[in-house]
Amino acid sequence: QSVLTQPPSVSGAPGQRVTISCTGSSSNIGAGHAVHWYQQLPGTAPRLLIYGHINRPSGVPDRFSGATSGTSASLAITGLQPDDEADYFCQSYDSSLRTYVFGSGTKVIAL
Amino acid sequence: QVQLQESGPGLVKPSETLSLTCSVSGASIGSYYWTWIRQAPGKGLEWVGYISSMGGTDYNPSLKSRVTISRDTSKKQLSLMLTSVTAADTAVYFCARTQVVGPTGPPYFDYWGPGTLVTVSS
Repeated sequence: QSVLTQPPSVSGAPGQRVTISCTGSSSNIGAGHAVHWYQQLPGTAPRLLIYGHINRPSGVPDRFSGATSGTSASLAITGLQPDDEADYFCQSYDSSLRTYVFGSGTKVIAL
Repeated sequence: QVQLQESGPGLVKPSETLSLTCSVSGASIGSYYWTWIRQAPGKGLEWVGYISSMGGTDYNPSLKSRVTISRDTSKKQLSLMLTSVTAADTAVYFCARTQVVGPTGPPYFDYWGPGTLVTVSS
C-alpha cells in the first residue's frame, strides 16, 4: 500500500479539464519534499511529465500543470485528448520510510 | 539522444539470484545517477535503488539485504542483482537516468528504458 494516495481513475470528455490528486502526509509532501509526475501509456515505460512540483521538461505540452499545497499535490490536464489516456503516478520522498515513494497511480479515461 | 536498454533472463527460479544489465547510450554513466525501478504486473512503481555518479549506492530499505547495483563505465552498463528471489519479485524492471535536485530532493527520472519482465517461478 502506497503512502501517496491517488484516486484509481478519473474521467472527462475530450476538451475538458481533469485533476489528479496525490495525498501524502507530514513525512513526505508535507515535509517539503519535491513532487514529480509521470505518465505511463499502456505497455510502455513511464515518461517524466512534471518535476519539482511545477516544471515541465522540454516537449511536454503546457496542458499539463502541477501544484502542491500542504500534504497534497495535484496534476491538472486541460483540453483532455484521447491520447492522454494513460496511468499517472506522483513521486516524492518519505522521511519516515527513508525511501523514494510513488503514488498508487491513476488511470485517466477520455470519455 | 539518451537510450537505455535492459536485458537479462526472463525467468528465474525461487531462491536464486536475479541479474539484469542496463546498456546506456547517449550519456556518460559517470556523470549521472542511475536508478532501478520495478513494477509488479498490474501494480504501481517501486524504487529499488540507485548508483551515484561517484559510484556510491542507496537501496530501498525493504530490499537492502538482497540487492546490489553496480556499473561498468567502460562498457557503459549498469547491473542489478537481487538474491533469494520469490514470486513477490516478479515484475517489470526499469533502469532510468536520474537527475538530482539538491537539498529539497528527491531526484527524478528523466529517461527510462523500455523495461524487462522477470518472472520468478519454478
